[in-house]
Amino acid sequence: DTEVTQTPKHLVMGMTNKKSLKCEQHMGHRAMYWYKQKAKKPPELMFVYSYEKLSINESVPSRFSPECPNSSLLNLHLHALQPEDSALYLCASSQEGAYNEQFFGPGTRLTVL
Amino acid sequence: GQQVMQIPQYQHVQEGEDFTTYCNSSTTLSNIQWYKQRPGGHPVFLIQLVKSGEVKKQKRLTFQFGEAKKNSSLHITATQTTDVGTYFCAGLENSGGYQKVTFGTGTKLQVIP
Repeated sequence: DTEVTQTPKHLVMGMTNKKSLKCEQHMGHRAMYWYKQKAKKPPELMFVYSYEKLSINESVPSRFSPECPNSSLLNLHLHALQPEDSALYLCASSQEGAYNEQFFGPGTRLTVL
Repeated sequence: GQQVMQIPQYQHVQEGEDFTTYCNSSTTLSNIQWYKQRPGGHPVFLIQLVKSGEVKKQKRLTFQFGEAKKNSSLHITATQTTDVGTYFCAGLENSGGYQKVTFGTGTKLQVIP
């Protein structure tokens, strides 16, 4: 199984809502990533988990809260988002560090009203 | 912070013509990866280059890593309509013992049949 799955595919939320994005992989990868991608822009790294520990936080606002419950799952908890946070949120995984090929999920298209 | 620029931003070619995208980093990279993102899709890994001056080929695609490990290029020979998409380089650098990935600005390729 060489697939990274993400749910939901689409999410519309208000600025006062709390929601979560989910990502799952069953490739035995020990590094997992969250990226944000705005239209016609490259993916921007947000967080990196290595062996279930947060190793990189790219100065992401605290309204985004990552969680890695186990080696196969990665969540991104969202609270009090702003309309400018609307984007495609991509999850990726790799064997160990970023020196290995990253496998991307299909993404969650988030709209904040 | 690290910046990774790609030129051109857009390229339209007739089917059968060649295509090249260039990637330049503001800092020396440890590795560079290349990804392709189809319209409406997610990034898909193409290749990783590690050594200074390295050249790798995949069928019609040729990848080069500069001698100073600050630039790279992707050349496609005789483009086909299946080559349509945005090509991103991704520069890897060490950050506090972890590998940080910065995606380039991307080159969007359109192939006219």
